[in-house]
Amino acid sequence: DQQVKQNSPSLSVQEGRISILNCDYTNSMFDYFLWYKKYPAEGPTFLISISSIKDKNEDGRFTVFLNKSAKHLSLHIVPSQPGDSAVYFCAASARGYSGGSNYKLTFGKGTLLTVNP
Amino acid sequence: EPEVTQTPSHQVTQMGQEVILRCVPISNHLYFYWYRQILGQKVEFLVSFYNNEISEKSEIFDDQFSVERPDGSNFTLKIRSTKLEDSAMYFCASHRAGPSPLHFGNGTRLTVT
Repeated sequence: DQQVKQNSPSLSVQEGRISILNCDYTNSMFDYFLWYKKYPAEGPTFLISISSIKDKNEDGRFTVFLNKSAKHLSLHIVPSQPGDSAVYFCAASARGYSGGSNYKLTFGKGTLLTVNP
Repeated sequence: EPEVTQTPSHQVTQMGQEVILRCVPISNHLYFYWYRQILGQKVEFLVSFYNNEISEKSEIFDDQFSVERPDGSNFTLKIRSTKLEDSAMYFCASHRAGPSPLHFGNGTRLTVT
């Protein structure tokens, strides 16, 4: 089951530069997308989300772009910092905007981001 | 900042034994979930719980699994008779009403020997 794909298992970036993490999905029913960061021995930490009615959402250094026609989203981190080094998971849901009901997330396999000082 | 807390952080059990994994979701959250991640694999959905009943469960969540919210704060996952393949990190998550993001605990590493 590869409904959410993160094709790059790892990415290495210099401090201060932009990090771009990519995610593709196949299920057209997905309408709510999230990015999580995960450090070893910790649970996923929510970073930023976007609904299918938008194509961009920004929060500080983090921006998520959604291209519905291509079924593609990306997370931009700028400027990248060494503390950003972690595994980044893309996740998607088909019930993000069903108004109060529960929803389940389908995760990608993650991309290990390393930001070098 | 409120957190989802899980205990224990690591549980070792023998095959065939019952285990209970415990979680305290964030206090004003209404929806509760269990996910798991087998080493090297994706984080995968197990079950969602709302209004004291299961809302949805995955194929993984068979009759060996059960969830309970015994009081106003705890949310538990029970595996009745553990198998070797149940070894994984188990994450509890919760969110408030509406399309809000899931907040995860730090997980319980279950090792079945």
